[in-house]
Amino acid sequence: EAQVTQNPRYLITVTGKKLTVTCSQNMNHEYMSWYRQDPGLGLRQIYYSMNVEVTDKGDVPEGYKVSRKEKRNFPLILESPSPNQTSLYFCASSNIWGYEQYFGPGTRLTVT
Amino acid sequence: AQSVSQHNHHVILSEAASLELGCNYSYGGTVNLFWYVQYPGQHLQLLLKYFSGDPLVKGIKGFEAEFIKSKFSFNLRKPSVQWSDTAEYFCAVNAPTSGTYKYIFGTGTRLKVLA
Repeated sequence: EAQVTQNPRYLITVTGKKLTVTCSQNMNHEYMSWYRQDPGLGLRQIYYSMNVEVTDKGDVPEGYKVSRKEKRNFPLILESPSPNQTSLYFCASSNIWGYEQYFGPGTRLTVT
Repeated sequence: AQSVSQHNHHVILSEAASLELGCNYSYGGTVNLFWYVQYPGQHLQLLLKYFSGDPLVKGIKGFEAEFIKSKFSFNLRKPSVQWSDTAEYFCAVNAPTSGTYKYIFGTGTRLKVLA
């Protein structure tokens, strides 16, 4: 089954404790992206990747890092999480940029 | 910078009522346009998309949208809503000629359909 998976689905952590949210797709898609969803703000793009080793900032990259060492994986790294990063995070992928995206199930992160 | 506006933040309708959700974008060049739906507790799913051609596009579950270039709009419509259409709806755009490779989403419209 074609899908985007994220882990963990739920995470509660404390300020400053480094964490990684994994994202994997099995569709051989070139483009991958991370979004955060906040009430009243919709989805905002954090980082995206056009292909392996090619990443770039979205609209809200501060406090986040990404890497794309393999085509299927695109982890999101929070080196020192803060409470304002409490949010619902979605990973997405598309065959190539510009086409429709397929979304993962989401990761609800709470930073206390 | 590109932006997307969804003016209706919350919409409440009775079953069988007609639906129109507004979406306006700010980029003047070529755009690709999308509507996504997020059912309660679920991830986003594509409803429909517009790349080129016929400006009236049909999607899944009886939804359609019309691209009006002169108005920078891509409004979503459904003639008769059902209780199961209760969800949040997002309009999104990307601009192939803009030099960026981002997707821009609107703030979403929460639709509640009363049985």
